[in-house]
Amino acid sequence: DSGVTQTPKHLITATGQRVTLRCSPRSGDLSVYWYQQSLDQGLQFLIQYYNGEERAKGNILERFSAQQFPDLHSELNLSSLELGDSALYFCASSVAARQGYGEQFFGPGTRLTVL
Amino acid sequence: GESVGLHLPTLSVQEGDNSIINCAYSNSASDYFIWYKQESGKGPQFIIDIRSNMDKRQGQRVTVLLNKTVKHLSLQIAATQPGDSAVYFCAETGQGAQKLVFGQGTRLTINP
Repeated sequence: DSGVTQTPKHLITATGQRVTLRCSPRSGDLSVYWYQQSLDQGLQFLIQYYNGEERAKGNILERFSAQQFPDLHSELNLSSLELGDSALYFCASSVAARQGYGEQFFGPGTRLTVL
Repeated sequence: GESVGLHLPTLSVQEGDNSIINCAYSNSASDYFIWYKQESGKGPQFIIDIRSNMDKRQGQRVTVLLNKTVKHLSLQIAATQPGDSAVYFCAETGQGAQKLVFGQGTRLTINP
């Protein structure tokens, strides 16, 4: 158990819909990272927040957004969903602000299926 | 742009043998490398890391080797056990980089 929690575990929805994925980092970790893992793209970094502020951006679509709240939990919002958005979405957390410093601890993931 | 790739997508080894998983990276500015293990139904789990000022680092039953000349990274697992069955990812980042770049992954299966 990494200490990072994600809800829900599974999510099934229809194209065009909007969903929110939630992540609670390990106690004491200030950074939260979101990743998308699909069969054809591997593990792709989406976005990082550090202590409530956006820190780094990766391959995140404009239809997707995220935020980190004062209690440090984070939410990833996916809107206008398309079939190709079906994937595993992982959240990770770390103490450090920069990705090259400090281990990232991954949550169990949310499996999103768009029908 | 930078990329991280793996030489072999699948690797099958006998239980008790040593496993070697390889990874090539293309960004010569990368200075920090990590190996992650992902078991079925779980998130990636940190195994070992190495910085570019080192060429070898050892952990418990695992060794990471870094060859900066040919931009190659490998993970050696000694005395492979059934619990080592997983997908293994290498990842890299560097000075000024804002993200970890993950390789495609190698699936390691253990034959009894």
